Amino acid sequence: GAVVSQHPSWVICKSGTSVKIECRSLDFQATTMFWYRQFPKQSLMLMATSNEGSKATYEQGVEKDKFLINHASLTLSTLTVTSAHPEDSSFYICSATAVREQFFGPGTRLTVL
Amino acid sequence: GNSVTQMEGPVTLSEEAFLTINCTYTATGYPSLFWYVQYPGEGLQLLLKATKADDKGSNKGFEATYRKETTSFHLEKGSVQVSDSAVYFCALSDPNTGTASKLTFGTGTRLQVTL
Repeated sequence: GAVVSQHPSWVICKSGTSVKIECRSLDFQATTMFWYRQFPKQSLMLMATSNEGSKATYEQGVEKDKFLINHASLTLSTLTVTSAHPEDSSFYICSATAVREQFFGPGTRLTVL
Repeated sequence: GNSVTQMEGPVTLSEEAFLTINCTYTATGYPSLFWYVQYPGEGLQLLLKATKADDKGSNKGFEATYRKETTSFHLEKGSVQVSDSAVYFCALSDPNTGTASKLTFGTGTRLQVTL
């Protein structure tokens, strides 16, 4: 099946720094990628929809200046958490669509100290 | 808005036991319904899906039937194995944007199967 990778798988950073997370579709092209956030024992919450070559569409309540999304190619989308704070600590998951199905990455655990 | 409610875990079963994980949803229109599974250290994988009322999705011995009258999509398996230990997510798609678009997830149910 289609494979989606994320890098890094985990990251620890100091408060105030920025962190970039990459999401790649390894064996298919994805015009649409999604970014989710998951808190412990809670649902995956959709943060934004990323379309190749256009601006991302953010869900209500998600700060677009805080969570920068770039979808530079059909196989790569990046999420940058700017000026990270401890409340941004979470598990971030991306997915990529192909043939009307979403394929998910393994997730990135971000810990902000 | 759309929402999905699934039973809290963890669910602990002995091997070969019968499994049911309840899932109910709230949505306007006619969403597609999904079950995803997440094995330790891996991403979410689609387990099965149903796109209209009374459809039954099935895969790897798991089944779920789209029940519009009860707005439910309960996951069942007749005989679980240790290898089924994972977290299971029920989800629905926004009925206005097709099956590959926005998904609304339940909180996930952790299943532990012991020998």
